[in-house]
Amino acid sequence: SQTIHQWPATLVQPVGSPLSLECTVEGTSNPNLYWYRQAAGRGLQLLFYSVGIGQISSEVPQNLSASRPQDRQFILSSKKLLLSDSGFYLCAWARGLFYGYTFGSGTRLTVV
Amino acid sequence: DAKTTQPNSMESNEEEPVHLPCNHSTISGTDYIHWYRQLPSQGPEYVIHGLTSNVNNRMASLAIAEDRKSSTLILHRATLRDAAVYYCIPFSGAGSYQLTFGKGTKLSVIP
Repeated sequence: SQTIHQWPATLVQPVGSPLSLECTVEGTSNPNLYWYRQAAGRGLQLLFYSVGIGQISSEVPQNLSASRPQDRQFILSSKKLLLSDSGFYLCAWARGLFYGYTFGSGTRLTVV
Repeated sequence: DAKTTQPNSMESNEEEPVHLPCNHSTISGTDYIHWYRQLPSQGPEYVIHGLTSNVNNRMASLAIAEDRKSSTLILHRATLRDAAVYYCIPFSGAGSYQLTFGKGTKLSVIP
């Protein structure tokens, strides 16, 4: 069966520090991968998506970047965090039209 | 992307059926209608999807209007665990399979 792992679950980082969030998928190959963010009391915002290794599409210009170094690994990064980067970050993968998205358990990031 | 309109919030008594409506009048002919829910402090969870015919699974039923401009998610017996935000999302499934979440309907279940 397919599973998605996302870590860490919670993170408190100072302003100006770097960020690296990792997401891995098991049990499937060549998945579409996604990073979403949900700010407090707000809706889910698509940040990045990837349809293959090394392929990244950005939906919102911002302080963040994404990379896909391996088929089932998706990384969200920042060189210098801002207060506005705080939020609930979710990784998801899609195995196709008939199955929808499967989301990870999320990382709650607080920038202080 | 097709726009959707959902009630901001709804309430239901436990053990009673719940009908969550969604209007998607600008949906294209090839868009599937997906429903997700998000429990507090968790990521969204896939519930059900359909194209034209009504659909049933272990979680819910989806009733799609004949003109496809609206749909209704039906929870047959609401439980406390069903309290969540429910999102209705037209989904083309083409290319990158991008899901665009709106504000959804916050469902409260009263014991």
